[in-house]
Amino acid sequence: NAGVTQTPKFQVLKTGQSMTLQCAQDMNHEYMSWYRQDPGMGLRLIHYSVGAGITDQGEVPNGYNVSRSTTEDFPLRLLSAAPSQTSVYFCASSETFMAGTGTGELFFGEGSRLTVL
Amino acid sequence: ELKVEQNPLFLSMQEGKNYTIYCNYSTTSDRLYWYRQDPGKSLESLFVLLSNGAVKQEGRLMASLDTKARLSTLHITAAVHDLSATYFCAGNYGGSQGNLIFGKGTKLSVKP
Repeated sequence: NAGVTQTPKFQVLKTGQSMTLQCAQDMNHEYMSWYRQDPGMGLRLIHYSVGAGITDQGEVPNGYNVSRSTTEDFPLRLLSAAPSQTSVYFCASSETFMAGTGTGELFFGEGSRLTVL
Repeated sequence: ELKVEQNPLFLSMQEGKNYTIYCNYSTTSDRLYWYRQDPGKSLESLFVLLSNGAVKQEGRLMASLDTKARLSTLHITAAVHDLSATYFCAGNYGGSQGNLIFGKGTKLSVKP
């Protein structure tokens, strides 16, 4: 069972470069989200989506862009990388509550470790 | 805005001892989640607490939720080294949208 798949697992960028972190899930979940994890900060929500064609900002959206053209995929784009974006990025998905089913439990990918020099 | 606070942030225990991790949250959150993270790994779901008074147990871990006190606890019984990890609690923010707000995590180290 694949679950949530993230690529790449590791990436090194130079300041100003752009890149896309890929995320795909095969559980037919409507809700998908991106978090970043920094030491001592827990996980902070970057962007989320409640279905194809619908995205919204989380707690720390600046410098990131997302789109949701299909239920399965939710890529995260770094527009112009900065050293402050050095972090571990996690994609997660869940069933939403709206359908009256599901617990909202998030299922996480393995993470993408990004270093910006 | 929902804020989630865990304490302690660091916990060093001896094997065989009991301890409790506390998770306080600032506004109404009708669901509370506990996750475990091993170093360099992803987050693994431990418990989903869906209502006031909910109690769930798995092995040496037991989680409970008191929505009136805005408090969840993760109790560790007779700790063993394999429980060494970072534990996160998270509350639901945004109603049906599913956004989870995480605490900063409690790093647990169990020593022989």
